[in-house]
Amino acid sequence: DGGITQSPKYLFRKEGQNVTLSCEQNLNHDAMYWYRQDPGQGLRLIYYSQIVNDFQKGDIAEGYSVSREKKESFPLTVTSAQKNPTAFYLCASSRDRGRGQPQHFGDGTRLSIL
Amino acid sequence: AQTVTQSQPEMSVQEAETVTLSCTYDTSESDYYLFWYKQPPSRQMILVIRQEAYKQQNATENRFSVNFQKAAKSFSLKISDSQLGDAAMYFCAYRRSNTGNQFYFGTGTSLTVIP
Repeated sequence: DGGITQSPKYLFRKEGQNVTLSCEQNLNHDAMYWYRQDPGQGLRLIYYSQIVNDFQKGDIAEGYSVSREKKESFPLTVTSAQKNPTAFYLCASSRDRGRGQPQHFGDGTRLSIL
Repeated sequence: AQTVTQSQPEMSVQEAETVTLSCTYDTSESDYYLFWYKQPPSRQMILVIRQEAYKQQNATENRFSVNFQKAAKSFSLKISDSQLGDAAMYFCAYRRSNTGNQFYFGTGTSLTVIP
């Protein structure tokens, strides 16, 4: 079955450490997204990518970085510059072509500070 | 930028009853798409229903239906015959049709179903 796989499910970060969240999709979708979800705040866009080797900052990109070397993969790095990284992170993808295609989501990664 | 507003942070409904969740949005475009997503305690985001702005007919998926009022920029979700499994956060989302792929989400409504 096609879908989006996020790993790990839980991740702990030490002070000053960079950590990378994995997101892989086998839906052949062009666009991929990273969202951060805090309690009571809904989804906030961190980065999105419409095609390989191209990505755009979302509303809260500071302290995060991404890459899109393959269509299937869109890893998110939470850098030490992100001072409040504790949150639930959701990866999503969607078709670029076709009218109004919805986003499909992974199961999320919960990141906590040690 | 487009904004999506869900003015009801929390709602509750008696099992088997009907509940309506509100969503309004701000846009200057005439062609766009609207979605409702459900996020149960498992945190998985599940697509509930999708509406195309150029279609006047309201979308329906089993017990879920929308009331799409384009002029009022309103997109409410009606859940009929509520079930315990409907308890979740519900997010309204907007997608532009022409350029870019960005989606805009509301802040969500937490729905409690009372047995």
